[in-house]
This record gives sequence, structure tokens and C-alpha cells, in this order.
Amino acid sequence: ETGVTQTPRHLVMGMTNKKSLKCEQHLGHNAMYWYKQSAKKPLELMFVYNFKEQTENNSVPSRFSPECPNSSHLFLHLHTLQPEDSALYLCASSPPQREKDTQYFGPGTRLTVL
Amino acid sequence: AQKITQTQPGMFVQEKEAVTLDCTYDTSDQSYGLFWYKQPSSGEMIFLIYQGSYDEQNATEGRYSLNFQKARKSANLVISASQLGDSAMYFCAMREGRSSYKLIFGSGTRLLVRP
Repeated sequence: ETGVTQTPRHLVMGMTNKKSLKCEQHLGHNAMYWYKQSAKKPLELMFVYNFKEQTENNSVPSRFSPECPNSSHLFLHLHTLQPEDSALYLCASSPPQREKDTQYFGPGTRLTVL
Repeated sequence: AQKITQTQPGMFVQEKEAVTLDCTYDTSDQSYGLFWYKQPSSGEMIFLIYQGSYDEQNATEGRYSLNFQKARKSANLVISASQLGDSAMYFCAMREGRSSYKLIFGSGTRLLVRP
């Protein structure tokens, strides 16, 4: 069973569409993350959830709306996106952040906004 | 100010040889952690190795080792006996503080292993 799964793997949407990205972790972790990876830019942290509570919003535009119904599932709801939002969106999870604890990533959703 | 700097956008290495990927960091915290991840073309970020700021010895994990030079604020990744499957993007990342949830990533180095 893969640790962190993401669906869909690829998504093409128009600027007026509404879609959602889903992330599920099977590792028993309590923290979940959304990252954006654009071409030629470092990985950008978008949101952090810890025990279902949002603990970080890295100045993300409101057209991205996260939802964390439980510690195993994380969604990213998308609406009225812009072409510059095209990127790889990575989900990650982690145990409580002790010093050596790393984040475990899913395979990502490749999003294209037309 | 950029916290993690990877100055090599691309690197080549011959199969079975060793390669060093550079990473420098900037922090005023005394306690921090440094991570290296591998990202194949499939997209998934794979954790490779961790080095804590208070660790006296360089971290090693199989063919991966971390050359940690605290005074220089560098944390270079050394891959020994390169394999074709090592061709990927490699990212250095830092966590500031002992319990922060935030990882700061560098821009990455693309490694290509030649047969």
C-alpha cells in the first residue's frame, strides 16, 4: 500500500472550472501539507494541517481552498484559476515534527490551466 | 534572502563514479535539520538522508553520504558508485528549529548518469 496517494495524477482545466485535488496518507501521520512546484522555482509550501487544523497558510490566493476532514485526507479545491497556476501540486504527510522526522510525499498532480 | 542555495542546475556523472551535489544554507538558528530528497521524472519526492545541526558525524545512508561543514554552512550530498537509476532532480531542504513543520527547499540539481 503506497504511503501517500494523490488523485488525479493529471488535470487539465479551464479558468472558469472548479476542480478538487485529493490526497490520502496511509502512514498514521498527523500533519499534512500542500506544496506547489512550478518550473524553475523552488518547491513552495502552500498549507500545513496538523491534527486537521490549519497551522500555516503561506499567503496563498483564495482561489485555492484547502480542506482537511481528518488526519488521513487532504483536499485542495480549485476555482477560477489562472494559467500561471499550472504546476505540479505535491501533497506530503509527516509524524509530529521531532528533529529527524521527514515529510513523505505523494506522486503529485500535474495541473494545467488553459 | 534565499535560505537554501544549490548552485549546480545540472550535473553529469559516469556510471559507477561518485558525484557531489552542493548545498549551502543560511540560518541564524542554532538548531536546524538538513534533508536531501530525490525527485525522479515520476514526480514523487523521495527522502534520502538527514543531518541534524548537532550531529557530530556526517550522516550516511547506503550509497548516500552528507558532507556537513557547519562553519561553512554547507551540506553537500555525495552519491557513491552512481547508477543509471540515480538520474533525477535532487533537492536540499532545511528545517529551522527542532519542531517546525516548515521545510525550505533549494532550487534543485538535475543529475544525469551516463552509461
